[in-house]
Amino acid sequence: EVQLVQSGAEVKKPGESLRISCKGSGYSFTSYWISWVRQMPGKGLEWMGRIDPSDSYTNYSPSFQGHVTISADKSISTAYLQWSSLKASDTAMYYCARTYYDFHFDPWGQGTLVTVSS
Amino acid sequence: QSALTQPRSVSGSPGQSVTISCTGTSSDVGGYNYVSWYQQHPGKAPKLMIYDVSKRPSGVPDRFSGSKSGNTASLTISGLQAEDEADYYCCSYAGSWSDVVFGGGTKLTVL
Repeated sequence: EVQLVQSGAEVKKPGESLRISCKGSGYSFTSYWISWVRQMPGKGLEWMGRIDPSDSYTNYSPSFQGHVTISADKSISTAYLQWSSLKASDTAMYYCARTYYDFHFDPWGQGTLVTVSS
Repeated sequence: QSALTQPRSVSGSPGQSVTISCTGTSSDVGGYNYVSWYQQHPGKAPKLMIYDVSKRPSGVPDRFSGSKSGNTASLTISGLQAEDEADYYCCSYAGSWSDVVFGGGTKLTVL
C-alpha cells in the first residue's frame, strides 16, 4: 500500500525553528515528487512547493518562496518542511502529497498540525 | 497567482446530480489539461477524485466525472449519496513549474 506518514503535531513559540517530516512507503520514493500543501484553520488548500527526491531539486510557490525550505533524504524515503523563524500566521495543518508530473496529488499524508503561539 | 473560483456551497438530495464549477483563466484552467479535484471530509486529508480534467483513479466511483470548457472546469456527482457530503477543491497547473493553484473549495450538502 502506498502511504505517506507525517510527523506529529507541534506547538511552538514565535521565532522558534521547526522541521516536520513525511515518510513514504510502498513505492519507489525517488520516482515521484513530493509537494507540501498548507491549510489554515477553516480555510482552503494552498500549494507551497515540491521536491524531486531523486536530486532534491525544488520549486516553490511565489507565496512561500523564502519563508520555508523543502528538503528530502532519499536514503530514508523522507521529505521535510522547515521554518527558521515561525510566526503566529504559520499556524495551520500541513499536508505532504505524492506529486505526479501533471501536478495531481495522490495519496496525501494524514497532515501535521502546527500551532504557533506565545 | 489568484485562487480558482468555486461556489461556496452546493446542495442536492440523495439520488440527484450536482455540478461544481471551477473558473480560472487562460493561464491555468484554460491553458492546460491538468485540472484535478479533491474531496475532503471534516478532519481528514484530501482525496484525489479526478485528474487530468476527466480521468478517474481506480477506486473512485464512476458517479464522479470531470469536464472542462474554456477557462471553467466542472465536477459532476451523479446519484448523490450521504457519504458524498464533503468539501471539494479543484486544482490546476499554471505553468513555469512553480505555479499550482487551488480553488477556494465548495461545501457539498446532501439534503
